[in-house]
Order: sequence, then structure tokens, then C-alpha cells
Amino acid sequence: EVQLLGSGGGLEQPGGSLRLSCAASGFTLSSFAMTWVRQAPGKGLECISTIGAGVSGTLYADSVKGRFTISRDISKSTLFLQMNTLRAEDTAIYYCAKGHSSGWFLFDYWGQGMLVTVSS
Amino acid sequence: VVMTQSPATLSVSPGERATVSCRASQSISSNLAWYQQKPGQAPRLLIYGASTRATAIPTRFSGSGSGTEFTLTISSLQSEDFAVYYCQHSASWPATFGQGTKVEI
Repeated sequence: EVQLLGSGGGLEQPGGSLRLSCAASGFTLSSFAMTWVRQAPGKGLECISTIGAGVSGTLYADSVKGRFTISRDISKSTLFLQMNTLRAEDTAIYYCAKGHSSGWFLFDYWGQGMLVTVSS
Repeated sequence: VVMTQSPATLSVSPGERATVSCRASQSISSNLAWYQQKPGQAPRLLIYGASTRATAIPTRFSGSGSGTEFTLTISSLQSEDFAVYYCQHSASWPATFGQGTKVEI
């Protein structure tokens, strides 16, 4: 059974850093693209970063480019999102999502979501 | 690609048919997915490739369309179908979502 278990959310001040983790089980992490999707309170969904399968590269939304870094540790089957220089507008629920076999940007499994609050 | 859904809110009685529309700002062929999100939960993939149901999705959910115009139809609404529905283009980065349609009783 595929499972994605996120951790690492919380309250951080503007300009601070947080690292989100997403522990994957039930599939081989390196074989599928993985994406971080966020949802601001009461708002819609925004794809912010993707890491491709295998040795494929990474993609970032303009809103986080240069501040956030996506990575994965295959040995630990864990996906990460390093978030630096946090802003109030980064406040959101962050989901990790697994890419479908039919496409990187189809998300067939999702983590439970982690709330990140950026406030002084 | 900008995805625009209509209506923003749809009021439907149980057992009735619900139709949600999604328009893409440029042609995305059949690279369109639909997700369902209930309060406090992560989204769930319903439809991809505009019309293919994802694993374990009931047959009352169907999708149609191509190019720039797409439709999600729920043939006979069940109580568990009241939720927010999002369309998403899945062809390229950034894979943008529509703003969501709330299907309410």
C-alpha cells in the first residue's frame, strides 16, 4: 500500500527556514516524480516544486524559485523541501504528492498535509 | 496555462446530476485531470487524460472534453460526493489548477 507521511511543519518567523519531510512507502521513490503542492488557507492548489524520476531534474514555481529546494534521499525513501527566506505568503498547507505512471504532473497519492505558518 | 472553472458553487440535491466545467486558456489536448477535496483532507485523483477514471473511482464520475473545454459529470450525487472539485492541466510545468467548484447540498 502506498503511503506518504509528512512531517516538519510549524510556525516560523519571516526570513526563517523550515524543512519538510515526506516519508514514502509502498513504492520505489526514485521511480516516480514527486511534487510539493501547497494550499493557502481557504484557497486553491498550487504546484511549487517537482523532482523527476531517476536522474531527472527539478522544477520550481516562480513564487519559490531561489528560496526553496526539493530533494530526496533514496536510502531513506524520503522527499524533502528546504524552505528558506520564508514570507507571510508562504503560509499554507503543504502536501507531498506522487506522480502517476502516466505523467509527472498527475498526482495519484498525497500526503496528509503539513501546516506551515509564517508570522512574527 | 490558466484554468477557469464554473460555477464557483453548485447546489444540487442527492440523486441529481452535477456538471462542472473547466476551460483552459490555451489548448492542452486531453491533458486534464479532476480532483476531489473534502474538508481537512488531501485532494483525491478522480479523472485523468480528460476521461479516464483513476483506480477505484465509481462509475458515476465521468469526464469529457479536449482542447480547451472540459466537463466533469457526477451522474447521481451521493452524500459523500459533496466536496470541492478542481481541474488541473497535467501536460507541462507549472501544472496549474482551476480555482475549484464547491458542490453543496
